[in-house]
Amino acid sequence: NAGVTQTPKFQVLKTGQSMTLQCAQDMNHEYMSWYRQDPGMGLRLIHYSVGAGITDQGEVPNGYNVSRSTTEDFPLRLLSAAPSQTSVYFCASSRPGQGANEQYFGPGTRLTVT
Amino acid sequence: AQTVTQSQPEMSVQEAETVTLSCTYDTSESDYYLFWYKQPPSRQMILVIRQEAYKQQNATENRFSVNFQKAAKSFSLKISDSQLGDAAMYFCAYRTDPQEGGADGLTFGKGTHLIIQP
Repeated sequence: NAGVTQTPKFQVLKTGQSMTLQCAQDMNHEYMSWYRQDPGMGLRLIHYSVGAGITDQGEVPNGYNVSRSTTEDFPLRLLSAAPSQTSVYFCASSRPGQGANEQYFGPGTRLTVT
Repeated sequence: AQTVTQSQPEMSVQEAETVTLSCTYDTSESDYYLFWYKQPPSRQMILVIRQEAYKQQNATENRFSVNFQKAAKSFSLKISDSQLGDAAMYFCAYRTDPQEGGADGLTFGKGTHLIIQP
């Protein structure tokens, strides 16, 4: 199993550009989520999904869109990038139901918006 | 909303010694879950240990153990026989019981940078 994969690993955008960060998992996990990590901060929840067709907002959703058309994929869209969105982005997945279930994290995408 | 506080930005310990990382949290919920994650320079997030709030017994995983004090809302991590490979950022995290509703994800503290002195 590849686990949770994220592409690209690095990306530089200009202000106002759009892009999609890709996340895929091959563990048949129903739950997937996106976090951002800023310097000196822990990870903060952007959006999450408890299954195909179901998404919801986390702590910092503004400026980001998500959709979940398949169990495997959970892309994160930036419609109009801003310098404040410069961060490292992590995708995670887990089995549903139990809150103690381990969340498996991808390797992260480092995004810089100039 | 829940908050997680790690009051030690950086800790240093001699190899083979024991170190304790502190974590406190604020919540009005009775059922929840607590985690410690390790983030080495590779930035990969690795689960170290987890604790269900309804369990009184403290979790243990090999050299890692926790001191969970529910009334005090404290969840410290003890690392015994520290090794060079333990050097990393350590994050304490809280998760609401998914059955309670609300945003379902982890709330993280700001992290503690652990340095292992050889």
